[in-house]
Amino acid sequence: GAGVSQSPRYKVAKRGQDVALRCDPISGHVSLFWYQQALGQGPEFLTYFQNEAQLDKSGLPSDRFFAERPEGSVSTLKIQRTQQEDSAVYLCASSSPEVVNTEAFFGQGTRLTVV
Amino acid sequence: GENVEQHPSTLSVQEGDSAVIKCTYSDSASNYFPWYKQELGKRPQLIIDIRSNVGEKKDQRIAVTLNKTAKHFSLHITETQPEDSAVYFCAASKSNFGNEKLTFGTGTRLTIIP
Repeated sequence: GAGVSQSPRYKVAKRGQDVALRCDPISGHVSLFWYQQALGQGPEFLTYFQNEAQLDKSGLPSDRFFAERPEGSVSTLKIQRTQQEDSAVYLCASSSPEVVNTEAFFGQGTRLTVV
Repeated sequence: GENVEQHPSTLSVQEGDSAVIKCTYSDSASNYFPWYKQELGKRPQLIIDIRSNVGEKKDQRIAVTLNKTAKHFSLHITETQPEDSAVYFCAASKSNFGNEKLTFGTGTRLTIIP
């Protein structure tokens, strides 16, 4: 695709509900990252995939957060039993390490509001 | 882990004047320092980046300087225009191959006064 696509753009969840957020990276991009951006803050790292392998999940805040990328392209971030503190924008970024002077391209994010 | 501090948190400058945003980082292994611009409700977009083998990089009105000894880097915007108004984030990474996480600063809200 032309860019990183995320869906849904907005999600309102009742506390305790499970949610699934989708990321379509740029075609062919090996690296995929998830970040959480709270209101007025910088993005904070959640997890990193290289193809289908989850190489770093050190930023996931609790075991309620789970991410997968089973075929090395589309990724899903799942949050179980959502809490109010999970309200944030969830950003996905992809990059291609094979490209000289590569950069991370961000999606527009999913704004999650837990009520 | 890496810690990135960014100052100031808000900055207002008169149109046409220059703006400077400064960041410091803690991990000497970091070697890639991008700057992102984020307009309200939109995705962060890379505006300029610098790798540790250079001390300065310029792209039209935007420049970035890096002092690896002092572990700080700065964004300079000259001849500011209203469309420069946005939140700017600095970041640091241990890799310039796009396979390492970015650690972001807390952002600077830049307002250009017409």
